[in-house]
Amino acid sequence: RKEVEQDPGPFNVPEGATVAFNCTYSNSASQSFFWYRQDCRKEPKLLMSVYSSGNEDGRFTAQLNRASQYISLLIRDSKLSDSATYLCVVNIGRGDYKLSFGAGTTVTVRA
Amino acid sequence: ETGVTQSPTHLIKTRGQQVTLRCSSQSGHNTVSWYQQALGQGPQFIFQYYREEENGRGNFPPRFSGLQFPNYSSELNVNALELDDSALYLCASSPDTGGARAFFGQGTRLTVV
Repeated sequence: RKEVEQDPGPFNVPEGATVAFNCTYSNSASQSFFWYRQDCRKEPKLLMSVYSSGNEDGRFTAQLNRASQYISLLIRDSKLSDSATYLCVVNIGRGDYKLSFGAGTTVTVRA
Repeated sequence: ETGVTQSPTHLIKTRGQQVTLRCSSQSGHNTVSWYQQALGQGPQFIFQYYREEENGRGNFPPRFSGLQFPNYSSELNVNALELDDSALYLCASSPDTGGARAFFGQGTRLTVV
C-alpha cells in the first residue's frame, strides 16, 4: 500500500467554481501534513500546512481527519492561475527525515 | 525564490554512464535531502545528509550515492545509469533533519538514452 494516495484527477473546472479533493495516508503516526503545489516541470512549492482543526489561507481550505486518515483541500472561486498539480505530503514528525508525497491531483481551471 | 540552487538544470546521459548532480543549500540550512520524481509521480525520497553524514535513505540501490560538504552543499551521484533513472531530481534544504520545513531547488531534469 502506498504511504500517500491521491485521486489523480484531472479536475477540469470553470473559473469561479469550487473544487475539492482528498488524499489518504497509511501511517497513523504521521504528524505533519501539507499541500504542495507543482506547476508543470517546476519544483514543488509549499501551498499550506494542514492543522488538526482545519485552516484557511485565502481561497484555500485544508482539513485533516485523523480518525479516517485523510486530508482534503478545497479551492473556492477558482482562478486560471490555480491550474497546477497539488501534492499531498505527509511527514511522520520530529526525527523523521523524509516527506512522503502523493502522486498529485491535477486541476485545470478553464476560462 | 528559495535560495536553493541546483546544477545543471538539464542533462542527457547514455545508459551505463555516471552522473553527478549538485545542490547549494539555503543559507543557514545544515540538512539536504534528495528526491527523484518520475513523470506523473510524486517525488520519492532518496536520502538525506545532515552535517556531512547520511541521515536516512529511501528505497534506492547503492549506485545512488551522495556527499555533503562542510558548507552544506551536496552532490548526488548515480552510477551505471539505467533508462528508468530518467526523472526530475530535486534537492531540498532544511534547517534541521525533520522534513517539514524543506525548501526545494528547481531540480535537474536527467534523461538517460
